[in-house]
Amino acid sequence: EAQVTQNPRYLITVTGKKLTVTCSQNMNHEYMSWYRQDPGLGLRQIYYSMNVEVTDKGDVPEGYKVSRKEKRNFPLILESPSPNQTSLYFCASSLNSLNTEAFFGQGTRLTVV
Amino acid sequence: LAKTTQPISMDSYEGQEVNITCSHNNIATNDYITWYQQFPSQGPRFIIQGYKTKVTNEVASLFIPADRKSSTLSLPRVSLSDTAVYYCLVYNNNDMRFGAGTRLTVKP
Repeated sequence: EAQVTQNPRYLITVTGKKLTVTCSQNMNHEYMSWYRQDPGLGLRQIYYSMNVEVTDKGDVPEGYKVSRKEKRNFPLILESPSPNQTSLYFCASSLNSLNTEAFFGQGTRLTVV
Repeated sequence: LAKTTQPISMDSYEGQEVNITCSHNNIATNDYITWYQQFPSQGPRFIIQGYKTKVTNEVASLFIPADRKSSTLSLPRVSLSDTAVYYCLVYNNNDMRFGAGTRLTVKP
């Protein structure tokens, strides 16, 4: 089954403790991206990657890092999480950077205390 | 980047046809119009995409007038399970920017 898989689905952590949210897709998609969703602010793009070893900042990249060492994986790294990064995170992938359908993961609900 | 405007919320009843209109006055030549559906605590799901005229799939229809400054998503005979937030996006090169969307509530 074609899908985008995020892990973990839920995470509670403490301020400053590094964490990684994994994202994997099995559709051989070139394009992957990360969003965060907050009440009243909608979905905002954090980072995106147009292909392996190619990443770029979205609208709200501060406090986040990403890597794209292989096509299927696009982890989101929070080096020193802070409470304002408490949010619902979504990973998405699409065939390429043109006008194609995007597939989203199930989401990761992160709470930083 | 073309900005979109759509109603914040809409109510409907089961079995009715629902039309959600999105305004995108400064749409660019290369932009496509795409609609996504999102249920609470789930990722958005692609519904339909079009460039001009009319597009229909098994889920919805998308009507785009000649000037492309607006578009209408049409959901035939909605059910309770169609209660969700619907997003209209206008973009190319996967520069997807989500607005607030339209919260559709289907009542029995």
